[in-house]
Amino acid sequence: IAGITQAPTSQILAAGRRMTLRCTQDMRHNAMYWYRQDLGLGLRLIHYSNTAGTTGKGEVPDGYSVSRANTDDFPLTLASAVPSQTSVYFCASSRDRQNYGYTFGSGTRLTVV
Amino acid sequence: SQQGEEDPQALSIQEGENATMNCSYKTSINNLQWYRQNSGRGLVHLILIRSNEREKHSGRLRVTLDTSKKSSSLLITASRAADTASYFCLSQGGSEKLVFGKGTKLTVNP
Repeated sequence: IAGITQAPTSQILAAGRRMTLRCTQDMRHNAMYWYRQDLGLGLRLIHYSNTAGTTGKGEVPDGYSVSRANTDDFPLTLASAVPSQTSVYFCASSRDRQNYGYTFGSGTRLTVV
Repeated sequence: SQQGEEDPQALSIQEGENATMNCSYKTSINNLQWYRQNSGRGLVHLILIRSNEREKHSGRLRVTLDTSKKSSSLLITASRAADTASYFCLSQGGSEKLVFGKGTKLTVNP
């Protein structure tokens, strides 16, 4: 693993089903983030975590939950998927957001039907 | 929340020309960052400029920052077809709730 790994790369999901998007980093970054990217709306922050054991809500948190049991993993769960959650989801991490940029994963393309 | 707004929304140039993209933000910042996104891929960090810096270079990239006008510009010199991508700015302040702009879509024609 080098950087951030997201899985799956794409998924078609029936509405009402539960889904967990996985994100793993091997850089020992403290801060991790989940964004969704929609055409015409840019990237919007869903949830973030400044360090293992803590999480916070971003701009569009409803319908999503996260956990941060350790430094490396930051899974995003959709408890009951709806079509409006069709999007491309990106996980990101940062070593020190005051002095360094963010490293992004390659994304998960999710379609809820 | 912090927000960067890129301008123009789309830019089409010929290979070898320079490309300039602008970014405006609303509140005070600690730094401003530029990212590139190729179609269907994640964002790649290009350059970070701190609030006490006015200009920064990285290869063919030149970034300027004017905190009095709350604006930044990204210049790509001698553009190549491979520079075709969307470019985003991110203004970084104290808030956790970061917001990216919608980006500038750059097309470099061979």
